Amino acid sequence: EIVLTQSPGTLSLSPRERASLSCRASQSVSANFLAWYQQKPGQAPRLLIYGASDRATGIPDRFSGSGSGTDFTLTISRLEPEDFAVYYCQQYGLSPWTFGQGTKVEIK
Amino acid sequence: QVQLQESGPGLVKPSETLSLTCTVSGGSIGGYYWSWIRQPPGRGLEWIGWIGYIHDSEKTENSPSLKNRVTTSLDTSKNQFSLKLRSVTAADTAVYYCARGQSFFDYWGQGIVVAVAS
Repeated sequence: EIVLTQSPGTLSLSPRERASLSCRASQSVSANFLAWYQQKPGQAPRLLIYGASDRATGIPDRFSGSGSGTDFTLTISRLEPEDFAVYYCQQYGLSPWTFGQGTKVEIK
Repeated sequence: QVQLQESGPGLVKPSETLSLTCTVSGGSIGGYYWSWIRQPPGRGLEWIGWIGYIHDSEKTENSPSLKNRVTTSLDTSKNQFSLKLRSVTAADTAVYYCARGQSFFDYWGQGIVVAVAS
């Protein structure tokens, strides 16, 4: 199965700063079938990005995804207070679908 | 707006079967794929499996790590889908989510906490 490694484990930033989250796959993710989710405490994950770079419905344009092959990035251009959360990447190019271990974005 | 709601017991004894149902409202279950995902306490997400009723045919796939213990089913008349996980252990303690999608997941239930303990 494809192992996804997210880094850093925790990102300490201030509101209005830019966040870059990395997701590295143990083998190439076919057709860039990679998604990103945001999860806040006590809530279900929320789909942000699919197909590595396509924003899901209703997601603000400060969220963007990029990358291909084995290296993917989620960028939040300017952090809003509601963006402090845990972010997961997920690949769906090769079954079984797998998730990264998550990156926590916390207020500095 | 599609909404999903998990239901089932919050406590299951070791070696017994965990049974959960997801009720879908705001849209038909037919023509879409539906999934189960779980999250052990303080940990990340694990995909369990997907099921769909597409072109008058039921299709399903489950994670190999759970494959022999998992059964999923659909009831289009009730707009529900279900999960059964047999021979549970403490390692199956988790928040269980149902979600819409075969590959990535755009609508999620709120999750249900299931503890495995005697």
